[in-house]
Amino acid sequence: NAGVTQTPKFQVLKTGQSMTLQCAQDMNHEYMSWYRQDPGMGLRLIHYSVGAGITDQGEVPNGYNVSRSTTEDFPLRLLSAAPSQTSVYFCASSYSWDKVYEQYFGPGTRLTVT
Amino acid sequence: SQQGEEDPQALSIQEGENATMNCSYKTSINNLQWYRQNSGRGLVHLILIRSNEREKHSGRLRVTLDTSKKSSSLLITASRAADTASYFCATNGGSQGNLIFGKGTKLSVKP
Repeated sequence: NAGVTQTPKFQVLKTGQSMTLQCAQDMNHEYMSWYRQDPGMGLRLIHYSVGAGITDQGEVPNGYNVSRSTTEDFPLRLLSAAPSQTSVYFCASSYSWDKVYEQYFGPGTRLTVT
Repeated sequence: SQQGEEDPQALSIQEGENATMNCSYKTSINNLQWYRQNSGRGLVHLILIRSNEREKHSGRLRVTLDTSKKSSSLLITASRAADTASYFCATNGGSQGNLIFGKGTKLSVKP
């Protein structure tokens, strides 16, 4: 199994541009989530999904959209990038949503918005 | 908002010594997890302890949980240079599997 994969690894955007961060998992996990990690802030939850067709907001959802059309994929869209969105983004998945299991993390996407 | 707060923020020890990191949280939890993050990498799950457990072991890792004090500790025994990483606690209060992470402890183990 590849586990959780994320593309791209690095991205530089100009303010106002849009882009999609890709996330895929091959473990048939129900639960998927997106976090951002900023220096000294730990990880903060952006959006999460408990199954195909079901998404919900986390702690810091503004400026981001998600969709989950398949079990495997959970893309994160930045609609109009802002410098405040400069961060490292991690996608994670877990076996089930109704019981807590360990989360498996992707390698991250380092995004810089100028 | 951060639920867990790790202490200390940074820890530097010699290889072979034990490393202890603490985590405090604010609200009631179903379970608490510890993760490791090597520089520039994603997080890796280390251990999960449920709210009705007091202690758990996994290899050189020992985790304790005191729900009355809302705190947990992670002990790494006989540390190695390869243990150099940031360590995060994450709590779950029951909301659909969502985890709330602390800010982490940066551990440096010198050979």
